[in-house]
Amino acid sequence: NAGVTQTPKFQVLKTGQSMTLQCAQDMNHEYMSWYRQDPGMGLRLIHYSVGAGITDQGEVPNGYNVSRSTTEDFPLRLLSAAPSQTSVYFCASRPHAGGYGYTFGSGTRLTVV
Amino acid sequence: EDKVVQSPLSLVVHEGDTVTLNCSYEVTNFRSLLWYKQEKKAPTFLFMLTSSGIEKKSGRLSSILDKKELFSILNITATQTGDSAVYLCAVDWGGATNKLIFGTGTLLAVQP
Repeated sequence: NAGVTQTPKFQVLKTGQSMTLQCAQDMNHEYMSWYRQDPGMGLRLIHYSVGAGITDQGEVPNGYNVSRSTTEDFPLRLLSAAPSQTSVYFCASRPHAGGYGYTFGSGTRLTVV
Repeated sequence: EDKVVQSPLSLVVHEGDTVTLNCSYEVTNFRSLLWYKQEKKAPTFLFMLTSSGIEKKSGRLSSILDKKELFSILNITATQTGDSAVYLCAVDWGGATNKLIFGTGTLLAVQP
C-alpha cells in the first residue's frame, strides 16, 4: 500500500500565483484533512472532508479551497499565494470520523516569495 | 480556547538515558490523546490513549493518560540516537470538525 501520497514535495511560488497540492490515499479512508505546520505553532487544520462530496473549513481556511470528488483524492488549492502561506503542508487520512490515528503524507514544503 | 501544551520544548540527553515527555491539555469534547514521532518528514503514529491509568507500551516507549489531571506522559527508556525527533502530542476533538489539536512538540536530541 502506498498510504497517503502528496505531490509535489517542494514548491516555490511567486506572490499571486495559484497552485494545487495533490493528496491521494489508497486505504479507502473516509476522513481526509489538510494541515499546515509552522515553527512554534504546531499543526493547524486548514480543511477537512468526511467523505466524497463533503468538505468543510478548519481553523485556518482563508486563501485555500478544497474539493472531494472521489474517496481517494483531496486536493488543496491556493488561490493567490501570499508569503504568509509559506509552510509545510500535510495531508492526513483515517478510516472514520474519529477513534483512529491519522496516517500522514510526507508533506509539501511551500515557499512563497 | 482548546489547547495542548507540551514540555519541555526541547531536551538533549545521552544514549542510555531515560526521558519523560509531558503533554497537558484543556480540550472540550475530548475523545482520545495521540502521540506521534516526527523525524524529517511526516509524523508517524505511536500511541492512542483513551482511558486513564492504562499504560501502553511499544518496546522502549510507553505512555499513560490521566483524564482527571488532564495530562499524558511519554517515556523512552535506554534512549538511542534513532530516538532523536520531534514528539507531538495531539488530542482527538470529538466536535464537528473531528480534528486533532496538536501541541507544538518536544524536540529530543540523543547524543552518542
